[in-house]
Amino acid sequence: KQEVTQIPAALSVPEGENLVLNCSFTDSAIYNLQWFRQDPGKGLTSLLLIQSSQREQTSGRLNASLDKSSGRSTLYIAASQPGDSATYLCAVQGYNNAGNMLTFGGGTRLMVKP
Amino acid sequence: EAQVTQNPRYLITVTGKKLTVTCSQNMNHEYMSWYRQDPGLGLRQIYYSMNVEVTDKGDVPEGYKVSRKEKRNFPLILESPSPNQTSLYFCASSLYGGSWETQYFGPGTRLLVL
Repeated sequence: KQEVTQIPAALSVPEGENLVLNCSFTDSAIYNLQWFRQDPGKGLTSLLLIQSSQREQTSGRLNASLDKSSGRSTLYIAASQPGDSATYLCAVQGYNNAGNMLTFGGGTRLMVKP
Repeated sequence: EAQVTQNPRYLITVTGKKLTVTCSQNMNHEYMSWYRQDPGLGLRQIYYSMNVEVTDKGDVPEGYKVSRKEKRNFPLILESPSPNQTSLYFCASSLYGGSWETQYFGPGTRLLVL
């Protein structure tokens, strides 16, 4: 059964710092990997979706990489801002998942201090 | 504005009292699903629907029912809620549920069962 792990569980950084969030998964038979942002009371917002055939995706200050063979993904946030404070979730959609189900990691809670 | 809406956003109820959480999307999406989020367990899929009148179980369907009579609506029904169903619930949708598609999440419904 697919398991997704995110490290660290929490991270606090000063504003302006570049940072990396890590995600690992146990079954490399995936269609895609997605990174979401979760804000209290606002649900989940999709940040980046990487297809299994891709190595990375970029959106603004965000860059996500995928190494399917090693079961790892990283989310790089450049020049962090207080508005980036949120919980970041990674999720994989696997061949063995019925109903296009996403398997989520436990999340990394990020705090960016002014 | 394209969105997934859920009602109610917060609900306190007692064991055994039937309740329904509504989910509606205005994007003409065929695929909809329900997740629950619990500390230490992440998000887990409860039920999903590929289209009108087509529903199927996800990872944790016990104690829940769903219906899909219209494309835009996908209510989650708890016929006899129990305290272990206290959780944060999210509805999600995407156009066809394809692996290339971003999934859109609602704002969440926080349920407390006493």
